[in-house]
Amino acid sequence: NAGVTQTPKFQVLKTGQSMTLQCAQDMNHEYMSWYRQDPGMGLRLIHYSVGAGITDQGEVPNGYNVSRSTTEDFPLRLLSAAPSQTSVYFCASSSEPTGRANTEAFFGQGTRLTVV
Amino acid sequence: GEDVEQSLFLSVREGDSSVINCTYTDSSSTYLYWYKQEPGAGLQLLTYIFSNMDMKQDQRLTVLLNKKDKHLSLRIADTQTGDSAIYFCAEGKLQGSYIPTFGRGTSLIVHP
Repeated sequence: NAGVTQTPKFQVLKTGQSMTLQCAQDMNHEYMSWYRQDPGMGLRLIHYSVGAGITDQGEVPNGYNVSRSTTEDFPLRLLSAAPSQTSVYFCASSSEPTGRANTEAFFGQGTRLTVV
Repeated sequence: GEDVEQSLFLSVREGDSSVINCTYTDSSSTYLYWYKQEPGAGLQLLTYIFSNMDMKQDQRLTVLLNKKDKHLSLRIADTQTGDSAIYFCAEGKLQGSYIPTFGRGTSLIVHP
């Protein structure tokens, strides 16, 4: 199994450009999420989804959009990139809510994004 | 304040024990997790503890939970250079987003 696959691994954008970070999982997981990781800030939740067609905002949603048209895919769109969005982005998925069972969240390898 | 707090750095000598601490604020958290992130990689689940347990041991890892003080710790015995990584504490809830809330992560540096 591939698990959680993120593409691209690295990306450089100019301020104002838009792009989509891709995330796909092959484990039939209902729960998917996007985090950004910044030095000293840990992981901050951007958006999450509890199933196809259902998404919600996390802690830092501004400047990002998501959609969940299939169980497998959960793309993250940057509408108009800003230098403050320079970060490492992680996608994660799990089969259950993490409060209901000892559920592991599976993470992708990350996308390192630089906005200049 | 933050939901989950951790100190940012810990430096230990190879062969010593490491203790990484975490405090959380939500008493409704049902599961508490420790994840490990090696350089350039995503996070991987290391271990977890159910909220009605005080301790869990798994080989070199010991997790202690003080539910009254909302304090969680991860002890790594006989720490090796391969244990150098960032360790994240996370809490799982039955309310809200159902997505784990992570601390800032503790960078463990193991030196010879």
